[in-house]
Amino acid sequence: KNEVEQSPQNLTAQEGEFITINCSYSVGISALHWLQQHPGGGIVSLFMLSSGKKKHGRLIATINIQEKHSSLHITASHPRDSAVYICAANSGGGADGLTFGKGTHLIIQP
Amino acid sequence: GAVVSQHPSRVICKSGTSVKIECRSLDFQATTMFWYRQFPKQSLMLMATSNEGSKATYEQGVEKDKFLINHASLTLSTLTVTSAHPEDSSFYICSAWDSYQYFGPGTRLLVL
Repeated sequence: KNEVEQSPQNLTAQEGEFITINCSYSVGISALHWLQQHPGGGIVSLFMLSSGKKKHGRLIATINIQEKHSSLHITASHPRDSAVYICAANSGGGADGLTFGKGTHLIIQP
Repeated sequence: GAVVSQHPSRVICKSGTSVKIECRSLDFQATTMFWYRQFPKQSLMLMATSNEGSKATYEQGVEKDKFLINHASLTLSTLTVTSAHPEDSSFYICSAWDSYQYFGPGTRLLVL
């Protein structure tokens, strides 16, 4: 069973700061997901990646397969980025359930 | 992009009753859907994998007779919590697979 660890658990930053959230996993994966969960509970998928780097707007996700590590970066952070960010590992083939990290609770203060 | 809906979004029921939660893929067909549960301040946990036309596969520790899953069509999976108890109160989220996992908005269940 894959163990997924995230750090930090909580992060408070000022608007405009560069944010990094880290995720490590114990077993080789087919893909890693980054998700965003807002206070109401709904989940938005941000990225699915199996190698390299992906960018969408101010969000960047990277993964190092050899080191079993992924990072999510937010540039020019904004209060609306405040949410829980969750990484999740897909250990099997594509259509397998995910193993989730405990999430990083991010607060961006104006 | 692909949309997954869940109904209801919130439900309150009395202990001992059964509650059905629907998960629909609105603009794509999903042979596989997943059901997750999230307790307060905890991470999501996979409950079961639902494949269209076959029996669901439950994760260890999840009672299949208590959490009934039916995936009768390529766009609909249902989770029925039978004889609900207060400890079943949780946030239930489904996702549907179509080369990617698309998540529903979740259903918050409160059992009194």
